[in-house]
Amino acid sequence: AQKITQTQPGMFVQEKEAVTLDCTYDTSDPSYGLFWYKQPSSGEMIFLIYQGSYDQQNATEGRYSLNFQKARKSANLVISASQLGDSAMYFCAMREGWGYQKVTFGTGTKLQVIP
Amino acid sequence: NAGVTQTPKFQVLKTGQSMTLQCAQDMNHNSMYWYRQDPGMGLRLIYYSASEGTTDKGEVPNGYNVSRLNKREFSLRLESAAPSQTSVYFCASSEAEGTRGNTIYFGEGSWLTVV
Repeated sequence: AQKITQTQPGMFVQEKEAVTLDCTYDTSDPSYGLFWYKQPSSGEMIFLIYQGSYDQQNATEGRYSLNFQKARKSANLVISASQLGDSAMYFCAMREGWGYQKVTFGTGTKLQVIP
Repeated sequence: NAGVTQTPKFQVLKTGQSMTLQCAQDMNHNSMYWYRQDPGMGLRLIYYSASEGTTDKGEVPNGYNVSRLNKREFSLRLESAAPSQTSVYFCASSEAEGTRGNTIYFGEGSWLTVV
C-alpha cells in the first residue's frame, strides 16, 4: 500500500488565486510528521512546511498552510495568492516514528500558475 | 552557505562502468540519505545513514553501495552501471533532533545517464 498518495498529477490555478494540493497518508504509528517540498524546473528540492502528528494547530509558513485532518489522514497544502513563481512540482512526504526515521515521498503534483 | 553539496552534477556512463557520487554536508547533521527520482515515481530512498558509522537499505538498494566516510560525507557507488539506473540522484541530510520535524535538506541533484 502506498504510504503517501497524491492523486492530482497536474493542476492549474489563476495567478492571485488560492490552490489546494491534496495529500493522503497511511500509517499506524501515532508519531509521524508530514512535509511538503517544492521542486521548480531547475530541479532543486525546497522545503516548504512541516506538520507533526501531535501539533495542535495547522502549520503555516507565509503563503503556505497545511490543512491537517488527522482523522481523514490528509495533509493538503494550501497556497494562497498564487504567483507565477509557484509553478513547480510539489511533493508530500512523511516520516514515521521517533528518533531516526526514513522519509517516504509521494509521486508529486505539477502546478502551473496561469497569468 | 553550502548546505548539501553533491558531485558530479552530470555524468554519462557506459553499461558496466562504475562510478561514485560524492556528497558532503556542512550542517552537522547526523542523518544522510541517497534518493533517486524517476518520472512519475517521486523520490525513492536508495540507502540512508542514521549516524556516522551506520548505513541501511532503503526501498531500492539493488545495484548500489554506500559509504559513510565521516559525519560530513556519504558516497553512493554504482559498481556495474545499468540503463535502469539512469535517473536523477539526490543526496540529503536531516537535523539530529526535534526542530522542524527532522526536515530533510537536499543537494542540487546529479543527472546520471547510462547508455
